[in-house]
Amino acid sequence: EIVMAQSPATLSVSPGERATLSCRASQTINRNLAWYQQKPGQAPRVLIYGASARATGIPARFSGSASGTEFTLTISSLQSEDFAVYYCQQYNNWPRTFGQGTKVEIK
Amino acid sequence: EVQLLESGGGLVQPGGSLRLSCAASGFTFSSYAMSWVRQAPGKGLEWVSTASGSDGSTYYADSVKGRFTISRDNSRNTVYLQMNTLRAEDTAIFYCAKDGGLGGGVLDVWGQGTTVTVSS
Repeated sequence: EIVMAQSPATLSVSPGERATLSCRASQTINRNLAWYQQKPGQAPRVLIYGASARATGIPARFSGSASGTEFTLTISSLQSEDFAVYYCQQYNNWPRTFGQGTKVEIK
Repeated sequence: EVQLLESGGGLVQPGGSLRLSCAASGFTFSSYAMSWVRQAPGKGLEWVSTASGSDGSTYYADSVKGRFTISRDNSRNTVYLQMNTLRAEDTAIFYCAKDGGLGGGVLDVWGQGTTVTVSS
């Protein structure tokens, strides 16, 4: 099973600042990685797939990048609606696996 | 509009069974895999199972293999999750998700979830 390790567990950021979230895969997953956002009481929604492609309707302030088994989600200028929990997920191998999540909270 | 609507959750005793359903609309159901993902209270997301669109392939997390069975009825645009021998650790919100709209394995549409509580 591929283990996805996200860091940090919690990120405290002020509105308007940049947030950088990391996700490391325990083995190569090519670029088969997605990022999801989940707000309290809501289902997750996909933000990024293929490591760097934005899903339909996702603002340009969200971007994804990859280097080997290290993946990054960057939110360039945090808006109030971006405070949430973010999960990475690999879909290169079975079983599909998620990271444990990064909570982005207001500083 | 693409929609997924789960049902069938509830309270069940340990060792009991439950069948979840997820009714889909707004897309060609048989063309896409469908997945179940769960979230225990206060915890992260855990992939549970996936059924391919039409070739009959199914996949399971080790934690549910042998106890859960995913199936689908493409004529009814519905995917099911039969859960047997339930344990306390199966308590979670269960989400169904459309799989593959942005590439196989990407969960691009999610339902609102149905809650399963396993307790005596």
